[in-house]
Amino acid sequence: DTGVSQDPRHKITKRGQNVTFRCDPISEHNRLYWYRQTLGQGPEFLTYFQNEAQLEKSRLLSDRFSAERPKGSFSTLEIQRTEQGDSAMYLCASSLLTGADEQYFGPGTRLTVT
Amino acid sequence: DQQVKQNSPSLSVQEGRISILNCDYTNSMFDYFLWYKKYPAEGPTFLISISSIKDKNEDGRFTVFLNKSAKHLSLHIVPSQPGDSAVYFCAASPGNQFYFGTGTSLTVIP
Repeated sequence: DTGVSQDPRHKITKRGQNVTFRCDPISEHNRLYWYRQTLGQGPEFLTYFQNEAQLEKSRLLSDRFSAERPKGSFSTLEIQRTEQGDSAMYLCASSLLTGADEQYFGPGTRLTVT
Repeated sequence: DQQVKQNSPSLSVQEGRISILNCDYTNSMFDYFLWYKKYPAEGPTFLISISSIKDKNEDGRFTVFLNKSAKHLSLHIVPSQPGDSAVYFCAASPGNQFYFGTGTSLTVIP
């Protein structure tokens, strides 16, 4: 296990379609985070899991967004009825279960909604 | 509301000199601070962190300084190398959620 992986790396979709992204964290990491990053901005927190429990969600996460982490391993982020404003880089990160710990990021999935 | 701010979008430094990247925050509940480096087409890579109980943390060429009264932290890179050219993000956390700044693009000129 060499790091956090994300799939796909790029996704182009038409407005109104649903998309799903996958993140595989570092195997011994209990915490998994999803972020969104747009051009010229830093990563914006979307949600995080501790094992399989989703503990916190940003108000940025509208009802069209849903994330899961079955069995506390990989995670999926689904966006329903995509809008052009959803175009961004979606980053996943994982960390060990400590109060505050550095996160290890994946390469991201770049979503383009046309 | 931007709780973590990096007011310099870019910085250029000669190779061998010191690079100083700055970051300001507004939330007094932040107790853990980190710096990340990001190359194009890659996710951010952790560089160095500091807890609010400290005012300095050093790791090789990288030193982070924290001034809690001013709600300000800085990253010093000495000596700067061309391979340090990247976008640097500072991040802060009150516990579970991390807030990132907008980044500073550092160019180290050979």
